[in-house]
Amino acid sequence: AQSVAQPEDQVNVAEGNPLTVKCTYSVSGNPYLFWYVQYPNRGLQFLLKYITGDNLVKGSYGFEAEFNKSQTSFHLKKPSALVSDSALYFCAVTQDTGRRALTFGSGTRLQVQP
Amino acid sequence: NAGVTQTPKFRILKIGQSMTLQCTQDMNHNYMYWYRQDPGMGLKLIYYSVGAGITDKGEVPNGYNVSRSTTEDFPLRLELAAPSQTSVYFCASSSGTGLAEAFFGQGTRLTVV
Repeated sequence: AQSVAQPEDQVNVAEGNPLTVKCTYSVSGNPYLFWYVQYPNRGLQFLLKYITGDNLVKGSYGFEAEFNKSQTSFHLKKPSALVSDSALYFCAVTQDTGRRALTFGSGTRLQVQP
Repeated sequence: NAGVTQTPKFRILKIGQSMTLQCTQDMNHNYMYWYRQDPGMGLKLIYYSVGAGITDKGEVPNGYNVSRSTTEDFPLRLELAAPSQTSVYFCASSSGTGLAEAFFGQGTRLTVV
């Protein structure tokens, strides 16, 4: 079985400040980790993924995420938040065996204040 | 680029009615998925397919059926709609490895009354 936990329902940050959205995962095999963003009344958009290699992954719109195997975490980060980053963020995991469908966390709403 | 297209965008059903949610993709992806999104619950996998003619159940398949007669299309059938099926439904597809990023449709908001 695989699972994802996003411990924060909402994260508030001021524009220009760094942001972190937390994610921890549980899989039996090698994890493949993803971050998606959802804007109101839209489908999910891919931000970045970790498959293998460098633990720091860079993605779209200046976002990055750090894979930490010992802590089973994959936190999403951005050095300087924009008001336009306000959205719902989902962490997801799959593995290299089985159905390979993504299992999603419950989502974290990011609110960036001007 | 059309990507993943879902129809309809909105629908209201009465209890006991049936309907089909349509999903088509033009990226020649082998993997296709149906998820439902309930508030505060993330996305739950209903059914998935790894290629034409092959489908399998996800986490929450009860009350739904799917078929995959072509690579492009992956319709989701609701039989005997119930209020518990009120949700937003997303179709997604990904390339052959299944480890590539998934592309999502814009969703179908379904209300069962």
